[in-house]
Amino acid sequence: DVKVTQSSRYLVKRTGEKVFLECVQDMDHENMFWYRQDPGLGLRLIYFSYDVKMKEKGDIPEGYSVSREKKERFSLILESASTNQTSMYLCASRGGGGGHSYEQYFGPGTRLTVT
Amino acid sequence: ELKVEQNPLFLSMQEGKNYTIYCNYSTTSDRLYWYRQDPGKSLESLFVLLSNGAVKQEGRLMASLDTKARLSTLHITAAVHDLSATYFCAVDMISGNTPLVFGKGTRLSVIA
Repeated sequence: DVKVTQSSRYLVKRTGEKVFLECVQDMDHENMFWYRQDPGLGLRLIYFSYDVKMKEKGDIPEGYSVSREKKERFSLILESASTNQTSMYLCASRGGGGGHSYEQYFGPGTRLTVT
Repeated sequence: ELKVEQNPLFLSMQEGKNYTIYCNYSTTSDRLYWYRQDPGKSLESLFVLLSNGAVKQEGRLMASLDTKARLSTLHITAAVHDLSATYFCAVDMISGNTPLVFGKGTRLSVIA
C-alpha cells in the first residue's frame, strides 16, 4: 500500500513564526504536491514538485516556499506564519508512469492554526 | 485551461434512494479520479477511470466515464447514512506530470 505521511496532524503556531510541514511518501513517486483546503474553497494547489530539487508554483504560492532535497520528502515552509494561513494542509504524491501509477495518494492532513 | 465542474455541490438524499453526481470537464482527457472525504479527514481514492466507457463499481457506488461527452458520473444506489461525505472528481491532463484538476466537491448528506 502506498503511504503518504505528514509530520503532524495538528499544529498551533504564533503569528510570525517559521513553520515547517513535512511530507514523506514510500512509493518512489516522482510527483509531490501541497494543497490547502478551506471551507467553501475546495482544494487549492500551493506548490508541486516533479523531481528532486524541482518545484513549480501552484495557484496560491504567496507566503509559502517548498523544499525537495530527497525524492521521498517534500517540505512546505511558511516563512512568517499569518492568521490567514490557518487551514488544513494536504500533501499528495503520484507516480509518473503508466496505468495506475498515475493515481494520486493523499496524506492524512495537518490542521494548522496560527494565533 | 482545464476546468472541472461538479454538480450538485450539495445533496441531501433519503436513505434507500438513488442519485447521480456529475463531473464535467472542459478539455480532452481520458483519466478521471473520484475521491471521498469524510469530515476532518483527508481524501481517499475511490475510483480510477482510465479510458472511454470505463465503469467501476464498489458497493453502492458506481462510476463511469464518457470521454466524448467529457463527463463522468458517480451513481449512488440505495443510499445509506455511511455514504455521507464529500465526493471530489479530478481530471488528469494527457501530457502527464501535471497536477490533477479537482472539482469543488459534492457534499452528500444521507438522512433517514
